[in-house]
Amino acid sequence: RKEVEQDPGPFNVPEGATVAFNCTYSNSASQSFFWYRQDCRKEPKLLMSVYSSGNEDGRFTAQLNRASQYISLLIRDSKLSDSATYLCAVNPGYSTLTFGKGTMLLVSP
Amino acid sequence: DVKVTQSSRYLVKRTGEKVFLECVQDMDHENMFWYRQDPGLGLRLIYFSYDVKMKEKGDIPEGYSVSREKKERFSLILESASTNQTSMYLCASSLGPGNTIYFGEGSWLTVV
Repeated sequence: RKEVEQDPGPFNVPEGATVAFNCTYSNSASQSFFWYRQDCRKEPKLLMSVYSSGNEDGRFTAQLNRASQYISLLIRDSKLSDSATYLCAVNPGYSTLTFGKGTMLLVSP
Repeated sequence: DVKVTQSSRYLVKRTGEKVFLECVQDMDHENMFWYRQDPGLGLRLIYFSYDVKMKEKGDIPEGYSVSREKKERFSLILESASTNQTSMYLCASSLGPGNTIYFGEGSWLTVV
């Protein structure tokens, strides 16, 4: 099993839709979790950290399920500008984060 | 805001040339990283450093070396560039283990 896995997509959704992505991780000792957003030919940028109790930032909600070893990202009321690739990142217990390969989201008018 | 600066954004080099990619961060971060990103392969860690003059191999160190003489600066060196090193190179930094990683804008290297 790969350390961090994501469905590559693309997820094609209309504006206003709600969309959710999952990211599974293999190391049960992982301590910190993040979602990054990456636009085409740009660097990844932190979208939000994922806390054990779940957290929300506007239209974005991140959750952690330790029992099943996955994190999720929910985007409500999708905008055209949400089109991007979403990378999850997990700290497997040593000093570096391990990134998934990303899920592509395409929001259409 | 954290600022990670990669001075060379677009480079074209010939096979066999020595290539230096420079990275500077302004947030006094302990950890610095070099990744490459290729379509379908995601982000792959080349080297990282958790202190001045310290370095650790990542997942794909072959063909690369690094230098960290000052805390704010982390350089990636391709001793003899090859065409399979054509890629987007991303420098990053973080405060410490497991903390948020902040990326530079990337360096697009083409080796011909």
